[in-house]
Amino acid sequence: GESVGLHLPTLSVQEGDNSIINCAYSNSASDYFIWYKQESGKGPQFIIDIRSNMDKRQGQRVTVLLNKTVKHLSLQIAATQPGDSAVYFCAENIGGGSYIPTFGRGTSLIVHP
Amino acid sequence: DTAVSQTPKYLVTQMGNDKSIKCEQNLGHDTMYWYKQDSKKFLKIMFSYNNKELIINETVPNRFSPKSPDKAHLNLHINSLELGDSAVYFCASSQEPGDYGYTFGSGTRLTVV
Repeated sequence: GESVGLHLPTLSVQEGDNSIINCAYSNSASDYFIWYKQESGKGPQFIIDIRSNMDKRQGQRVTVLLNKTVKHLSLQIAATQPGDSAVYFCAENIGGGSYIPTFGRGTSLIVHP
Repeated sequence: DTAVSQTPKYLVTQMGNDKSIKCEQNLGHDTMYWYKQDSKKFLKIMFSYNNKELIINETVPNRFSPKSPDKAHLNLHINSLELGDSAVYFCASSQEPGDYGYTFGSGTRLTVV
């Protein structure tokens, strides 16, 4: 079965607020995690990744946090904009020769102007 | 200058028909993939090719047959279409196996009636 899941299927925020999208994973052997953004009518787009030997990684307006103790991953988006409205997927890779990541179910982020 | 292009974008067909979806990438990537996204947005790997060679073949009915004439193209042929095949099919590419910064196409919405 799936080992990656999401706490919230839909997240609504106001423009300018910070957004936090959460993801739980169950496989402690996972060594690589990726966040993708999928806008309506488009394919997923790579946002940011993090390896299991890191706790935090920052990109442009996005930060990914990894808590291996509780097997939890989050994507923080600063100063959320209407263009951030999309479905966000976390994906994990188990490693050990497997290089096809397992995608979670997705969280829909809705940004209200 | 589209990086990963799929055709057609929409495909409506009757049960029992045979159809093909084409995919081309101009990124010079070695690895290409087919994913299926169901109505709940769940993304599931179907196939992966590396330099025209099949490397991943998940549990997919043998009615689905991928073909890679060269490393820039990965087509998907589906025989005897069924209602349950209705979904959005995404082609993707990456520099090599294990590179998770996939570039996805914009998807082909297949509707079987």
